[in-house]
Amino acid sequence: SQQGEEDPQALSIQEGENATMNCSYKTSINNLQWYRQNSGRGLVHLILIRSNEREKHSGRLRVTLDTSKKSSSLLITASRAADTASYFCATDSNDYKLSFGAGTTVTVRA
Amino acid sequence: SAVISQKPSRDICQRGTSLTIQCQVDSQVTMMFWYRQQPGQSLTLIATANQGSEATYESGFVIDKFPISRPNLTFSTLTVSNMSPEDSSIYLCSVHSHRGEGYTFGSGTRLTVV
Repeated sequence: SQQGEEDPQALSIQEGENATMNCSYKTSINNLQWYRQNSGRGLVHLILIRSNEREKHSGRLRVTLDTSKKSSSLLITASRAADTASYFCATDSNDYKLSFGAGTTVTVRA
Repeated sequence: SAVISQKPSRDICQRGTSLTIQCQVDSQVTMMFWYRQQPGQSLTLIATANQGSEATYESGFVIDKFPISRPNLTFSTLTVSNMSPEDSSIYLCSVHSHRGEGYTFGSGTRLTVV
């Protein structure tokens, strides 16, 4: 079942700008993950942040996690046309089942 | 991380028929997961498939509609039975990454029921 909500639903930015999207969830988690999906294809794992971490970086990606507010954000810096995709947060509790957020569709304009 | 081969990538099927989707993993995994993504929606877990035991289905999904096989630790199939247009979705399989960092997904099967 879905427990995450993401905002915004859609985001359109100019190439080179930063893109920020947010995710909220309802129950306690083991970790939170972000995935990218291009044109309805398979999901690609981007980054995982554990419940005892507050911030994590990977290349142009920065993820924050606030467990007190049950929220996370994903920042993509210096966006490129290839970043055009849908981005999903997913929470992993102790049962190894992922619960996905509604997703944010990002369009990067050249 | 594991590599998953999922087939078919897409299909158009007549209502009332069944389609079997296959996922082959390049390494042995204990659990495989099957998801459905309805048009414009997020992913919903259908069931968890463990080798040698019955699949565990999530609320709203039943074995008669979505039978799953898991004959060994590298392979699983999901059948969508007695299809209706409401079954038109992308179906994805997934396994836990060996590195412990997230999950690996198959490339998805885009099903259209007419």
